[in-house]
Amino acid sequence: AQKITQTQPGMFVQEKEAVTLDCTYDTSDPSYGLFWYKQPSSGEMIFLIYQGSYDQQNATEGRYSLNFQKARKSANLVISASQLGDSAMYFCAMRPPGGSARQLTFGSGTQLTVLP
Amino acid sequence: AAGVIQSPRHLIKEKRETATLKCYPIPRHDTVYWYQQGPGQDPQFLISFYEKMQSDKGSIPDRFSAQQFSDYHSELNMSSLELGDSALYFCASTLRGGEPYEQYFGPGTRLTVT
Repeated sequence: AQKITQTQPGMFVQEKEAVTLDCTYDTSDPSYGLFWYKQPSSGEMIFLIYQGSYDQQNATEGRYSLNFQKARKSANLVISASQLGDSAMYFCAMRPPGGSARQLTFGSGTQLTVLP
Repeated sequence: AAGVIQSPRHLIKEKRETATLKCYPIPRHDTVYWYQQGPGQDPQFLISFYEKMQSDKGSIPDRFSAQQFSDYHSELNMSSLELGDSALYFCASTLRGGEPYEQYFGPGTRLTVT
């Protein structure tokens, strides 16, 4: 069974600063995918970034980067130059082997608040 | 770009009533997933379909059923609604064999059972 752990229920960051949201995972499968989604108060789930277990380089998408440490089973999200609009719930999720067609398992989320 | 469409966006039902939620995947996507997110909870996988056949099943109550139609849209049917069914219901879609990061979510249907 797969498990995702997000140990930070809430985080605060000052506008324009960087912030790291923690995510650790547990799986015995060598092949898996890791996702980060943003959920604003309006409720929609917005895809941010993806890391495959065999990807050699850490994923980056604009101000988002994923600090993937495979041996430690961690996939932390780094948001650089935080903006007020980054205030939201952030979920880390994992997809098991089977390619793009398998469902996701989510962590409990981290509520990020960006302070002006 | 076209996104996943869910309807209705909001639904209010009474206990013991039935509800039908609809999901229209991104064009070309052949796989649909349903997730349930209770208040303050993370999304929980309910069920998925590939090419109109059920492919995976999660923690979906027996009171719920779902199907995928020939045009790939999917419907989640919920009967004998309970107060605990109040949640945000997400549909997500992907293309089997497509890019590994492709699992895009719809805006959700917020179901309130009173």
